[in-house]
Amino acid sequence: QVQLVQSGAVLKRPGASVKVSCKASGYSFTIYAISWVRQAPGQGLEWMGWISPYNGYTDYAQNLQDRVTITADTSTSTVYVELRSLRSDDTAVYYCARSVLSEGMDVWGQGTTVTVSS
Amino acid sequence: QSVLTQPPSVSGAPGQRVTISCTGSSSNIGAGYDVHWYQQFPGTTPKLLIYGSTNRPSGVPDRFSGSRSGTSASLAITGLQAEDEADYYCQSYDRSLTNWVFGGGTKLAVL
Repeated sequence: QVQLVQSGAVLKRPGASVKVSCKASGYSFTIYAISWVRQAPGQGLEWMGWISPYNGYTDYAQNLQDRVTITADTSTSTVYVELRSLRSDDTAVYYCARSVLSEGMDVWGQGTTVTVSS
Repeated sequence: QSVLTQPPSVSGAPGQRVTISCTGSSSNIGAGYDVHWYQQFPGTTPKLLIYGSTNRPSGVPDRFSGSRSGTSASLAITGLQAEDEADYYCQSYDRSLTNWVFGGGTKLAVL
């Protein structure tokens, strides 16, 4: 079946970097873009950026573009998000989601909790 | 402040009809970009509820419907049930930001 499986929870210190993975299976990896969406505790959904695994095209949320990088490894059907210079307000659950502009985000990963604390 | 504006909360009694609004602008919904809706229960992953403004993925009950007009969209839930109590988010694309954007979310309470 179609699924996205993410890496496990992590604890990071302020100022550090974190890299979360999202492994796709059950469909043709290069056909669909993958978005990263995060949700801080008690807050709403925030789109961070997306990548087209077909050609590597990326686009990022304006408020994060200086600190975030999304990459894709077609050999392993895995997408990564790296967030640098972590702050306490980066503490959130990070989701990857298969994305089509006209069809929304139809398949989601299980979420990865990133905690930033000293 | 979210680019798409939703009411923080709505409520209704079992069996009633409720609507959740999503107000955007000429650079997103008004520009013709599709609106999508997600349902999220506490502690769980969001689930696609409506895509392309009016379409239901397989398995979503027809009690849920979406519409769009001008710079706004709405999610309607008829025959409200206790298990509909969740958070609902709208989403679209903004051509000025070149970003996907979410509404702030609406908490639905079934009284």
